[in-house]
This record gives sequence, C-alpha cells and structure tokens, in this order.
Amino acid sequence: AQTVTQSQPEMSVQEAETVTLSCTYDTSESDYYLFWYKQPPSRQMILVIRQEAYKQQNATENRFSVNFQKAAKSFSLKISDSQLGDAAMYFCAYRSAGRGGADGLTFGKGTHLIIQP
Amino acid sequence: SQTIHQWPATLVQPVGSPLSLECTVEGTSNPNLYWYRQAAGRGLQLLFYSVGIGQISSEVPQNLSASRPQDRQFILSSKKLLLSDSGFYLCAWRPTVQGRWSPLHFGNGTRLTVT
Repeated sequence: AQTVTQSQPEMSVQEAETVTLSCTYDTSESDYYLFWYKQPPSRQMILVIRQEAYKQQNATENRFSVNFQKAAKSFSLKISDSQLGDAAMYFCAYRSAGRGGADGLTFGKGTHLIIQP
Repeated sequence: SQTIHQWPATLVQPVGSPLSLECTVEGTSNPNLYWYRQAAGRGLQLLFYSVGIGQISSEVPQNLSASRPQDRQFILSSKKLLLSDSGFYLCAWRPTVQGRWSPLHFGNGTRLTVT
C-alpha cells in the first residue's frame, strides 16, 4: 500500500517570504498522480496544485510551485510571497494511475502553516 | 457548474444511536463518490468510495456503512455509534471522464461528536 509522509507538523513563515513544505511517498508504481490540498480554518478542502508522475516539468500555479523528484519520491510545495490567506493545513496526496489501484487519494497527515504578519 | 452538498454541518449523537450523513452532487452525472474521515491531528482516511449506483468499496473495516441509492447521492450510516466514530467527515466527488488525473472536490464536511 502507498504511504504519504509529511515530516513537518508545523511551519511558520514571515509574510511575503517563501516557504517550502515537504512530502515524501512510498510506492512501487511508476505511474501516479500527486496533489497538494489546502484546508483553511473553514475546513473546506481546496486543491492547490497537481502533478503527473510521468511529466518531468514541475507544476506551477501562480505563487505555488512543486519540486517533484521522482527517483527520491519527493514532492515538495513552495509558496512564494506568502500571504496571510495562505495560513492553513496543507495536505499532500497520492493516487495510483493504474486501474488496479485504489481509486481514492491517500493523504499525508498534514502540515500546519502559520503566516507571521 | 457542479456543486456538492453535505449535511448536517454539525451533529452530536449519543453512543449507541444511529447515524445518517447525506451527500449530493449537482451538475454532473455518474460521478465517483467518496467518504473520508479526518480525526484530530491526523490526515484524511478514505472510508468508502463508489463508482456507480449500488457499487460500494470499503477501504477500512469498521462500524460504518455506505450506500448509493441514486446516481448523485451518497449516504454514510451506522446502526450504533461508538465514541471512536467522532471526527470530521468529508464527502467528495470527481468526474469520471477525466480519469484519475481529475482531483477530488470536497463538501464542507460534517463535524460528528459522539457523547
């Protein structure tokens, strides 16, 4: 079974600075998808960014980008120019691309991101 | 546009009582549907998913069950709640046409407290 590990329970960053959240995963599959979700205090789960394992190019969405290292099984999230609204729990998630794998997302335990004004 | 509705938002139930949480999706057909639980200090745990009416896959054996009586309706149930069933329950859906690349879209969740 796949596992997703987020080794940082909590991170703190000054407003306008850059922060990187780490995520590693364990899988024997070669084709899969990776996601970062954000959960603000409202507890609504919001998709931040996603990456296909067979694509070398790192995904970017405005101030959010990932560093995908397939060989190392690492999928970190970089937030540039941090804003107060970025304060939230961030979850890394994995999904198998194969038909035989579980259809749902496997989530890490999350990183609580604090933005210092 | 597609929307997902989940209710109730909060629920306090005594141990041993039944449970029924409902989730409906609008604006799409034949979605894949999911129930997740988020316990305090932990990530999201997949409980059930469904790829069609009457088709339920259970990921974690436990006190809960799920049903999909209609295409866009997903229900989470229990006959007798346990204290350990307390948590935050999230319903989610994804379109099937995009394949597994499509992300999950979540409802606003139900906070369940079993007393």
